[in-house]
Amino acid sequence: DVKVTQSSRYLVKRTGEKVFLECVQDMDHENMFWYRQDPGLGLRLIYFSYDVKMKEKGDIPEGYSVSREKKERFSLILESASTNQTSMYLCASSFYWDRGQVLDTGELFFGEGSRLTVL
Amino acid sequence: GIQVEQSPPDLILQEGANSTLRCNFSDSVNNLQWFHQNPWGQLINLFYIPSGTKQNGRLSATTVATERYSLLYISSSQTTDSGVYFCAVESGGSYIPTFGRGTSLIVHP
Repeated sequence: DVKVTQSSRYLVKRTGEKVFLECVQDMDHENMFWYRQDPGLGLRLIYFSYDVKMKEKGDIPEGYSVSREKKERFSLILESASTNQTSMYLCASSFYWDRGQVLDTGELFFGEGSRLTVL
Repeated sequence: GIQVEQSPPDLILQEGANSTLRCNFSDSVNNLQWFHQNPWGQLINLFYIPSGTKQNGRLSATTVATERYSLLYISSSQTTDSGVYFCAVESGGSYIPTFGRGTSLIVHP
């Protein structure tokens, strides 16, 4: 079975602290994603990566950075945490394959989520 | 970008009832997935269904890509079906899933 593991289920940090959220997947997926989930707003994409050292901004990248040094690991970094970054953070991964003119993707698998509170 | 709308936003059922959840999207899609988020926050992939119909136990899903909607059917609902149901689509040349805002389902015993 595919497993996506997030390093912490619950974190409490103070304003201004640097926060690392780690995500590891064990199925050799090319794509990895970080989403943020807030009540009434659904899932919003922060960053995604389609290969090692490759990253692209999503819809709400401000205040966040990411790192993908190895294929299985995708880290989300909050350089200086703020109270408006209190949220549920969800990591996900999927395959993709190149069918010539079309890129196709497989099922999306999620980790259990990391609930961050910034005081 | 593509717009994804789910309805209804909230649904309350008695155990044993059937329900239909809808996902409308504003453009043609390459892929469509349905997810269930349990009360502890874990999202589980239910169906990977860019077109056609699939069934898995009491759940089934149909995507009519030409009319830009998908339906998730839950029959004989159980309390464990409670949670939030999301659909997510990929369109155009993008392989990044865009999510709807979800349908919150509560099933009472």
